[in-house]
Amino acid sequence: GESVGLHLPTLSVQEGDNSIINCAYSNSASDYFIWYKQESGKGPQFIIDIRSNMDKRQGQRVTVLLNKTVKHLSLQIAATQPGDSAVYFCAENNSSYKLIFGSGTRLLVRP
Amino acid sequence: ETGVTQSPTHLIKTRGQQVTLRCSSQSGHNTVSWYQQALGQGPQFIFQYYREEENGRGNFPPRFSGLQFPNYSSELNVNALELDDSALYLCASSPVEGPSPEAFFGQGTRLTVV
Repeated sequence: GESVGLHLPTLSVQEGDNSIINCAYSNSASDYFIWYKQESGKGPQFIIDIRSNMDKRQGQRVTVLLNKTVKHLSLQIAATQPGDSAVYFCAENNSSYKLIFGSGTRLLVRP
Repeated sequence: ETGVTQSPTHLIKTRGQQVTLRCSSQSGHNTVSWYQQALGQGPQFIFQYYREEENGRGNFPPRFSGLQFPNYSSELNVNALELDDSALYLCASSPVEGPSPEAFFGQGTRLTVV
């Protein structure tokens, strides 16, 4: 069946270090993948997306890598800041009307 | 802020009751999707509305229903509430049919069923 999962439920990093959040997906027909950030009491906020025909995409302090061979997606955050503390979700879409979300990884940034 | 507003922000209902949640989409967005997010989990797709019609539905029973109005705002109705319906209900709007990276989420309505 369709599923998007995350390897680690909680990731703790030192402020200023780089963070890597991983995600596995099972639907090889997915067209694109999206990373969302959700802070406490707020809805998910779009961070970055990547199409299935790409391997890498960079944004401001963030990079998403897609490895279709092993169905793996990662979000790299450079120079992690306290404001990056949140729950991060990956989501996938296969040209249908819905996004399929994973269960999330909580990122804790230590001062 | 995304421009997507949901009301109310918090709600407590008794099992068996009915509830209506509301969503105002971002200006220019004609598609609204609803998601249910249980505590500690990712959002689960309920359904999507486009041009006032249901455009797709997730694995939710018929007691979950919705509406979209000519101004693109939307309602989510849940009948015969169950304890497991306690969750954060999220509305997302986008300018195009189907899912989109341009979908913007509201802050959600926290529903507690007792």
